[in-house]
Amino acid sequence: SAVISQKPSRDICQRGTSLTIQCQVDSQVTMMFWYRQQPGQSLTLIATANQGSEATYESGFVIDKFPISRPNLTFSTLTVSNMSPEDSSIYLCSVEQEYEQYFGPGTRLTVT
Amino acid sequence: GIQVEQSPPDLILQEGANSTLRCNFSDSVNNLQWFHQNPWGQLINLFYIPSGTKQNGRLSATTVATERYSLLYISSSQTTDSGVYFCASGYSTLTFGKGTMLLVSP
Repeated sequence: SAVISQKPSRDICQRGTSLTIQCQVDSQVTMMFWYRQQPGQSLTLIATANQGSEATYESGFVIDKFPISRPNLTFSTLTVSNMSPEDSSIYLCSVEQEYEQYFGPGTRLTVT
Repeated sequence: GIQVEQSPPDLILQEGANSTLRCNFSDSVNNLQWFHQNPWGQLINLFYIPSGTKQNGRLSATTVATERYSLLYISSSQTTDSGVYFCASGYSTLTFGKGTMLLVSP
């Protein structure tokens, strides 16, 4: 199974600022995924990141708010821009290997 | 898109008890997975089970794809089983249920 790390593990940010979350996988993967989990809620897919192409965003999520980079087959970043308290969530990246999805430990973001 | 319904939403057990968690799907089940989210937020893969039955220690899962549901059985529950259990379905991009929050008390 894939081993995924995320940085930072948690952060407290002020509204109006931006935070970039890093996701590193221990093997090359075609697609990486970014999910958001709001407090007490389930996981919602933000976007799919393919290396060498623009990320594909789900309904309700836009590139200006959540820009994503995918410079190579083991790394991706998600930026949460112009943050508001409503962005307080756990952000998780995941990868798929042989039909199973594996998740990183998550980044717990609090916006004050 | 597919709707995923989990039941019960909350469950409180005494240590040693058994439980069954259920996942219903509005459409065809694809690549069904069960996850456990521990109190620290980490999502742990429990089962990849698009159909049939699998067992891993005290946990087992059954998916009946033709009837669009899956079950997760926890036997002889332990306090470390506490957390939220999610089922999810999809090709690459997963649709998650709302989860079952389980609390096992000593």
